[in-house]
Amino acid sequence: QVQLQQWGAGLVKPSETLSLSCDVSNESSTTVYWSWLRQPPGKGLEWIGEITHYGRSDSHPSLHGRVTLSMDTSRKVFSLRLASVTAADTGVYYCARGAVMRTAPYVGGRKIYYVAMDVWGQGTTVIVSS
Amino acid sequence: DIQMTQSPSSLSASVGDRVSITCRASETINSHLNWYQQKPGKAPFLLIYAASTLQAGVPSRFSGSGAGTDFTLTITSLQPEDFATYFCQQSHSTPYTFGLGTKLEIK
Repeated sequence: QVQLQQWGAGLVKPSETLSLSCDVSNESSTTVYWSWLRQPPGKGLEWIGEITHYGRSDSHPSLHGRVTLSMDTSRKVFSLRLASVTAADTGVYYCARGAVMRTAPYVGGRKIYYVAMDVWGQGTTVIVSS
Repeated sequence: DIQMTQSPSSLSASVGDRVSITCRASETINSHLNWYQQKPGKAPFLLIYAASTLQAGVPSRFSGSGAGTDFTLTITSLQPEDFATYFCQQSHSTPYTFGLGTKLEIK
């Protein structure tokens, strides 16, 4: 089954760039959305962004363009860089697979895609501190 | 962004009880609603997708219902391993958003 193993620095200085990567094992589908999420201490989950197999990416507008997502399909690794970090960026960061769990017919021959995060990395605690 | 309001924020129950958690979206999301379970120190785990479809391997005591803006996760006959935090998530449109979570505790 698909497995995600994430890695990266757990301590980042304010104003520097957070960098995390996620190794993908046993994935053959190209219809997936490789995603990053985070969870501040004691709080809920926040979607950071996603990148497709073909390199199309999308990220949370609240991160004001600080996010860079990349995908190395040959090495099966996808990565997150978050620039100009502050203490508010402290938390547990997760990589996840956004999979199309189900489709349904839609008008004009199109389809509706039901996406969910069905495989997760183990999580990386990132602390922003000098 | 679509806001997800989840209630209650915490819930005490006993083994064998039936509990329900609700999630309301700030606008219609059709059936693009997922439920996750998270235990301390662990990554979230997908329970239900598309509002009512059980993920493979998830026990049938878990069920989901709803469409549009109002959704419910129900757990019948609570088991000790069900005591955890539950999150709803809308996957209708990005940025995907989550409810703040419901912590289910043993009474």
